[in-house]
Amino acid sequence: AQRVTQPEKLLSVFKGAPVELKCNYSYSGSPELFWYVQYSRQRLQLLLRHISRESIKGFTADLNKGETSFHLKKPFAQEEDSAMYYCALTGGADGLTFGKGTHLIIQP
Amino acid sequence: GAVVSQHPSWVICKSGTSVKIECRSLDFQATTMFWYRQFPKQSLMLMATSNEGSKATYEQGVEKDKFLINHASLTLSTLTVTSAHPEDSSFYICSARDRGKSTDTQYFGPGTRLTVL
Repeated sequence: AQRVTQPEKLLSVFKGAPVELKCNYSYSGSPELFWYVQYSRQRLQLLLRHISRESIKGFTADLNKGETSFHLKKPFAQEEDSAMYYCALTGGADGLTFGKGTHLIIQP
Repeated sequence: GAVVSQHPSWVICKSGTSVKIECRSLDFQATTMFWYRQFPKQSLMLMATSNEGSKATYEQGVEKDKFLINHASLTLSTLTVTSAHPEDSSFYICSARDRGKSTDTQYFGPGTRLTVL
C-alpha cells in the first residue's frame, strides 16, 4: 500500500533560519511526488513537483529514491512561509495520497 | 487560470437528509475530478475518482451508495451525501485535473464544510 509520512506535525523556526520539512514515502513503482501548501484560510495549492526540478518561492525538494524521501528545503525562512505543508504522491492518473501535514511557523 | 470552485462553501443539515456538493472547473476542462475528505486536524483522504461520462471509482471503505458522484460534463462533478448522519460531518474538497495539460497537476477547490445535526 502506498503511504506518505511526514514525521513533524509542527515545525517552528526563526526568520532567516534554514527550513527542512521531512517527507518519506512508500510506493511499489515510480511515483510522482508533490508538495502542496495551504496558507491560512486559503485553499490547497501546488508548491512544487519532483519532475519539474524547479525552485518555487525559494523552496526546493529532491527526490531520493534510495531513501524514499522528498524533503522540502529553504535556506532562509520568511514569515510569509508560515502555512500547512502537505507532501503527496500519485502513481500517475490516480488521486493523491497525502501525508498528515506539517504546520510550519516562522517566528520573527 | 486553473480555478476550481465548490458550492456551497458550508452547509448544515438535519440527520437523514441528503446534501449535494458541486465542484466546477471554471476556466478549463477536467476529464477527471477527485473528491477528498478531511477531518479536523487530519490530512486529506481520497474518497473517489470521478471521470466524465463514466462511473466513479471509489476508494476502499467508501460506500458508493452513501456518497453518490456524478460527473456529467467536463466542468462539473457533484457529490451527494445521502441520508447524512453526524459522522458524515467533515470538510469535503474536490480537485480537478486539467485536460489540456500533459502534467498531472490537480487544482483544488476551496472545500465545503458539512455539518450534520
